[in-house]
Amino acid sequence: QSALTQPPSASGSLGQSVTISCTGTSSDVGGSNYVSWYQQHPGKAPKVMIYEVNQRPSGVPDRFSGSKSGNMASLVVSGLRPEDEATYYCGSYAGRNEMIFGGGTKLTVL
Amino acid sequence: QVQLMQSGGELRRPGASVRVSCRASGYLLTAYYMHWVRQAPGQGLEWIGWINPNSGGTNFAKKFQGRVAMTRDTSVSTVHMDLSGLTSDDTATYYCARDEYRFLRYYFEYWGQGTPVTVSS
Repeated sequence: QSALTQPPSASGSLGQSVTISCTGTSSDVGGSNYVSWYQQHPGKAPKVMIYEVNQRPSGVPDRFSGSKSGNMASLVVSGLRPEDEATYYCGSYAGRNEMIFGGGTKLTVL
Repeated sequence: QVQLMQSGGELRRPGASVRVSCRASGYLLTAYYMHWVRQAPGQGLEWIGWINPNSGGTNFAKKFQGRVAMTRDTSVSTVHMDLSGLTSDDTATYYCARDEYRFLRYYFEYWGQGTPVTVSS
């Protein structure tokens, strides 16, 4: 099973918004509400930012939001801050009790 | 507080096997599924599989079936992942990651610190 498709990089200026896409198929993203997003800084373990398409764990700023349309999920980071610079991964349930991740998007804050 | 403490880094020869352990504290091990995820150097995340620490039931990604095993020792709140037939492609940092209460929801709020495994002759 191939990884979900994410753009390798994205960028935005301080205070602006950026959207990161995650494209899958009807077998994973399109067929499941178990879509999640992770932020990873170099040398650190991933941190969940969004789960079940658009839910934010306690402690995650509301500048982070998620959505899904068809086979594509999106993560929006608004009001960009320097600490948002990281690599972001999407993940999705892929059927048959399996999970799949995207290839990751490196976000640069200008 | 919830903590997942993993065993230390490992160096193995090609063809060998490795065990990575993950000790849970701050919650009841048997109440939450545990997943294993790996990340090769400079690469993305790759899901390996999960274990239900209550029943011992497991499920693995197709590419790992036949050479991965996951077990648990509830007496010490620890899950283990064994990977055999190692090749250089298995060089990666391996993470344990906890799912949510009782049911699989395929997101991970708690992660171990990662265990680097290097496969080299």
